[in-house]
Amino acid sequence: GQNIDQPTEMTATEGAIVQINCTYQTSGFNGLFWYQQHAGEAPTFLSYNVLDGLEEKGRFSSFLSRSKGYSYLLLKELQMKDSASYLCAVLLISSGSARQLTFGSGTQLTVLP
Amino acid sequence: ETGVTQTPRHLVMGMTNKKSLKCEQHLGHNAMYWYKQSAKKPLELMFVYSLEERVENNSVPSRFSPECPNSSHLFLHLHTLQPEDSALYLCASSQGTSGRSEQFFGPGTRLTVL
Repeated sequence: GQNIDQPTEMTATEGAIVQINCTYQTSGFNGLFWYQQHAGEAPTFLSYNVLDGLEEKGRFSSFLSRSKGYSYLLLKELQMKDSASYLCAVLLISSGSARQLTFGSGTQLTVLP
Repeated sequence: ETGVTQTPRHLVMGMTNKKSLKCEQHLGHNAMYWYKQSAKKPLELMFVYSLEERVENNSVPSRFSPECPNSSHLFLHLHTLQPEDSALYLCASSQGTSGRSEQFFGPGTRLTVL
């Protein structure tokens, strides 16, 4: 089966840095996505990693280690609007046009003033 | 309309009803997806439609029936549902053959089965 683990909840202070970890054990791997989902809204794409290393995009960075089955999302200079659920997802199969993602349960981040 | 739209946004139905959820993507994508999101559980892929194939999660009960008449429209037909089917149903679409192709999600239909 597929197993993706991430912490259920995290709390951090406005202006701080927070790291959300994700570990995975899956039957296939064609990349790892991070999505952000605000309450009552659709998930929105944050990042994609397929090679080992760090990808930086503004205040958000994502890291991948394929050998360790590990990724993290790093959020810098936290803002109140960053309070949301962060979803880690592994792309299992990449054939043709179909993309089969398997998701973790999400990490609910609360940013406090 | 832009992006991925879903109707209705909220639906309450009895266990004997038949209803359909509709999804439309205005992005020119060539693959569409149905996901189920229950409280405190991971997003669960239900069905995938692409140019080449239809893929379904074998754990999805037959009371859920997808239909994809063209690359822009996707339906989920519901019949004789159970209370445990109450959840947020999300539609998504993607384009291209590279792994980097992200999925764009619609706002979802909040379904309550009484």
